[in-house]
Amino acid sequence: AQKITQTQPGMFVQEKEAVTLDCTYDTSDPSYGLFWYKQPSSGEMIFLIYQGSYDQQNATEGRYSLNFQKARKSANLVISASQLGDSAMYFCAMREGYTGGGNKLTFGTGTQLKVEL
Amino acid sequence: DVKVTQSSRYLVKRTGEKVFLECVQDMDHENMFWYRQDPGLGLRLIYFSYDVKMKEKGDIPEGYSVSREKKERFSLILESASTNQTSMYLCASSLKQYNQPQHFGDGTRLSIL
Repeated sequence: AQKITQTQPGMFVQEKEAVTLDCTYDTSDPSYGLFWYKQPSSGEMIFLIYQGSYDQQNATEGRYSLNFQKARKSANLVISASQLGDSAMYFCAMREGYTGGGNKLTFGTGTQLKVEL
Repeated sequence: DVKVTQSSRYLVKRTGEKVFLECVQDMDHENMFWYRQDPGLGLRLIYFSYDVKMKEKGDIPEGYSVSREKKERFSLILESASTNQTSMYLCASSLKQYNQPQHFGDGTRLSIL
């Protein structure tokens, strides 16, 4: 089974509108973390936002917020007031447990977002 | 700002060659990672290291090895390159705390002919 599922290969949104990118995860570990990254066409991976499994509140960073629904195992990224510069590939990733070393991530297959005028 | 530097942006090699991809980070991070990225497959972890001289296999280690002789440098080695190793390779580093993000280099697009 896929540990991270991003079901939207591509999405379009109009400038200044809000958009939600879906991410569901699968883990039996009670301690985990969820990360979202942005990859523009230039290729660099940019960290956007983090949510820990024990965090009481949904994470927010500027125009980015995470709609974390633990019971449904979903961690959707919400981008408010979309801008042309938000056009990029977006990846959801999960860290399971805490072994004290490594903290490796499992990535989803990504969602390509295109912001239109 | 964290800087993760990969030695080459583009690289072309021939099948059977031994290929070295180098990665250096300047923020004293304990953890370092090598991924490959292929269309439709996302990022897949090849190897990672949480300390000098320590290495752990990721999800797709076959055909690859790594070396970490110094804390700031993590090398990926293709012992005998094959065409199915043509891909984008991304290096990342992070602090050891569990909530710390990984910081990525710009990637190396490797073509094996």
